[in-house]
Amino acid sequence: AQTVTQSQPEMSVQEAETVTLSCTYDTSESDYYLFWYKQPPSRQMILVIRQEAYKQQNATENRFSVNFQKAAKSFSLKISDSQLGDAAMYFCAYRGYTNAGKSTFGDGTTLTVKP
Amino acid sequence: EAGVAQSPRYKIIEKRQSVAFWCNPISGHATLYWYQQILGQGPKLLIQFQNNGVVDDSQLPKDRFSAERLKGVDSTLKIQPAKLEDSAVYLCASKRLDTEAFFGQGTRLTVV
Repeated sequence: AQTVTQSQPEMSVQEAETVTLSCTYDTSESDYYLFWYKQPPSRQMILVIRQEAYKQQNATENRFSVNFQKAAKSFSLKISDSQLGDAAMYFCAYRGYTNAGKSTFGDGTTLTVKP
Repeated sequence: EAGVAQSPRYKIIEKRQSVAFWCNPISGHATLYWYQQILGQGPKLLIQFQNNGVVDDSQLPKDRFSAERLKGVDSTLKIQPAKLEDSAVYLCASKRLDTEAFFGQGTRLTVV
């Protein structure tokens, strides 16, 4: 079974600075997807970024980028130029390659952004 | 495009009572998921539907939880009878073949 581990329950960053959230996972599959979701107090999970395991290039979405190390099974999220609106719970998630495959989530990292 | 709609937003019940949650997925999304998110943890999949058929319900506590998706659209998740440990946020999500899952805002259940 796949597992996803987020070892940082809480992180904080100064506004405009950069922060990196860590995630490791375990799987025996070779093809899969990895995600970072943001969950603000409204509780709605919002997809931040997606990485396909067969792609060596790290995904980037504006101020958000990932460092995907397939051999190490590591998938970290870097937030540049942090903004107050980035404060939320961040979840790392894994999904197998089939389109109907279920997602396995880590237990999250609470990010605080200090003005 | 309208998002995934869930109701109610909040529910407080006593243990041993019954409760039901409703989800209306995005139009055209064949896959629907129900997740349970206990405070301080990530969401855990309870059940996955493809149209009106169950794909995965391996983590659904079937002695007390049930779910249905009539006509492959709306879905209802029921708990009967509720236990204290069922206190959680229940998230519904839907997707189609060429998209990732979209989540609703969830129902926060408190069992007292």
